[in-house]
Amino acid sequence: EDQVTQSPEALRLQEGESSSLNCSYTVSGLRGLFWYRQDPGKGPEFLFTLYSAGEEKEKERLKATLTKKESFLHITAPKPEDSATYLCAVPPQGGSQGNLIFGKGTKLSVKP
Amino acid sequence: KAGVTQTPRYLIKTRGQQVTLSCSPISGHRSVSWYQQTPGQGLQFLFEYFSETQRNKGNFPGRFSGRQFSNSRSEMNVSTLELGDSALYLCASSGQGALYGYTFGSGTRLTVV
Repeated sequence: EDQVTQSPEALRLQEGESSSLNCSYTVSGLRGLFWYRQDPGKGPEFLFTLYSAGEEKEKERLKATLTKKESFLHITAPKPEDSATYLCAVPPQGGSQGNLIFGKGTKLSVKP
Repeated sequence: KAGVTQTPRYLIKTRGQQVTLSCSPISGHRSVSWYQQTPGQGLQFLFEYFSETQRNKGNFPGRFSGRQFSNSRSEMNVSTLELGDSALYLCASSGQGALYGYTFGSGTRLTVV
């Protein structure tokens, strides 16, 4: 069964304390892995798409990496405004990118 | 550039009633997807439409239905509402494929009492 698992469920960091979030997936023939950020009361906001093992993408303090079985979202020197729930998602085997399987997310809290 | 617009933002309905939710995608976007988000199950895929055709359907009962119009606007309908249908319903659109991902609206918060 195609599945996406994120860990940890929640993460508390002090401002400036770097860390990583994990997303593991079990789907054959990966057709993209997506990272989203969701703030309370809002819809998810697109961050990155990764396609191939070894691929990396960066945006401000965030860097996403991809291996054959998992993806990491590295947060370097986070700020309180980085507090949000981070979601990863993949299309199911044979599915399209408009039909995503989401993980339950990691709720990140960054304290000043 | 206007984002994805979902209406209404909040709804309270009674068990057994039906409800229609609306989604206006970003201008020029032809692909629209719907998701249900609950604290227990997270985000779950409902439907995907492209140019008025349903491309995929998630594992939801037949009480959940949707459609897309020629202007790409989309609606979803839930009939015979149950308490468990209380959720945030999210619509997302895309016109450029995976490179820019799908843009989500802020959702419709449905409460069934």
